[in-house]
Amino acid sequence: DAGVIQSPRHEVTEMGQEVTLRCKPISGHNSLFWYRQTMMRGLELLIYFNNNVPIDDSGMPEDRFSAKMPNASFSTLKIQPSEPRDSAVYFCASSSGTGVIVTDTQYFGPGTRLTVL
Amino acid sequence: AQKVTQAQTEISVVEKEDVTLDCVYETRDTTYYLFWYKQPPSGELVFLIRRNSFDEQNEISGRYSWNFQKSTSSFNFTITASQVVDSAVYFCALNPDQAGTALIFGKGTTLSVSS
Repeated sequence: DAGVIQSPRHEVTEMGQEVTLRCKPISGHNSLFWYRQTMMRGLELLIYFNNNVPIDDSGMPEDRFSAKMPNASFSTLKIQPSEPRDSAVYFCASSSGTGVIVTDTQYFGPGTRLTVL
Repeated sequence: AQKVTQAQTEISVVEKEDVTLDCVYETRDTTYYLFWYKQPPSGELVFLIRRNSFDEQNEISGRYSWNFQKSTSSFNFTITASQVVDSAVYFCALNPDQAGTALIFGKGTTLSVSS
C-alpha cells in the first residue's frame, strides 16, 4: 500500500509569495495531521482533521496559515503571504482513529522542505 | 503538564556496540500511548513502536528492544549490535488520551554509528 504522499518535496519561494503544500493520506485513514519541524521548536502539530473536518487548529501560527481537506484523500496547507520564519519541514501524517480523540498510530509522509527567501 | 524529555542530544558509538536511548515522559492521564519514531538522514519519519500505558511488557523486535517502566515514567529504546544504518535521529512521543490528538514529541536523540 502507498504511504502518505506529500508534494512538493522541496519548495523555494520568495517572501510574500503564496505557498501551497499538498497531502494524500493513506487510503482508509480518517484522520489527517499537519506538523511542522524546525530546529528551534522541534516537531509541533499545526492542525488535525477527522473525517475531513478540522478538529484542532490551535497550533496554526497565525492567519497567514490555512488548511483544507475537501475530501478524504486530499488536504492542503496554504501560507499566504509567506515569510522567512516559515522556513521548515512540513509533515503530513494520517491515522485510522475511530473517534475524535486519536490514539492510533500516525504514519508520516516524507515531508516538504520549505525555504522562504 | 504533558512533556517528553530526551536528555541525550547526541550519542556516538562504534558498530556492534549496544546503545540505549532514554525517554522520560510526564502526564497526569492514566491512559496514554508512547511511540518511537526514527528520522534517517533522508528526512522521513518512520514509525517504530506504539505502546499503551496498560501494557508494561518489554518488546523486542530483532536488534531493537524497548523497556517501559511506569514507576519511573520511562520508555527507553535499546539497539543491540548497532549498525551504520541505525544512524538517525530518534524521537520519543507521547499521546495522552485526554489531551486530544497531538503527538507530543521529545527533542530527539541523534545517534551516529561509525564503522
